[in-house]
Amino acid sequence: IAGITQAPTSQILAAGRRMTLRCTQDMRHNAMYWYRQDLGLGLRLIHYSNTAGTTGKGEVPDGYSVSRANTDDFPLTLASAVPSQTSVYFCASSVGAGANVLTFGAGSRLTVL
Amino acid sequence: GQNIDQPTEMTATEGAIVQINCTYQTSGFNGLFWYQQHAGEAPTFLSYNVLDGLEEKGRFSSFLSRSKGYSYLLLKELQMKDSASYLCAFMDSNYQLIWGAGTKLIIKP
Repeated sequence: IAGITQAPTSQILAAGRRMTLRCTQDMRHNAMYWYRQDLGLGLRLIHYSNTAGTTGKGEVPDGYSVSRANTDDFPLTLASAVPSQTSVYFCASSVGAGANVLTFGAGSRLTVL
Repeated sequence: GQNIDQPTEMTATEGAIVQINCTYQTSGFNGLFWYQQHAGEAPTFLSYNVLDGLEEKGRFSSFLSRSKGYSYLLLKELQMKDSASYLCAFMDSNYQLIWGAGTKLIIKP
């Protein structure tokens, strides 16, 4: 099934632990994104990648890192989780950077205690 | 600065029409998007407007006025399955999306 797969779907994590959220797409999209969604706030961009091998910082990058070793995968790592990183995380992709439609994954709900 | 605003929640009746407004301020503009998000699910694309005017897609229409920094999403013949949050987002001069907090639409029978 074409689309974006995120894992895990849900995770409870102790503060200070390292966590990697996985994202894989099979649409051969060039651009990929990580957003967080918090109640009462709009989606906020964490990091993005316009093409394999490149990454950029979004609006709220602190405490997160990403890599884009190939077209399909775009993992998001929390080096040392803090409670303020409790959120729903969405991975998305688009054909290219610019005014393109985003396709979203189903989301990963992360709770940091 | 940049900002975007839409109502937090709206209620409408099955079979009726509802208009969800979105206002924005930005110095650079590359289009406005509407997405639908059902509870616990991912956002899905509804519409994109870059020029002024009305774009119609079946029961859904989206309008844009760039001079007023204003857009609306019009939903006709409401169905229970239209109960969802509707997210407005504009694309700024750097082609980054700036998202509103979403409007939760409740449909009553």
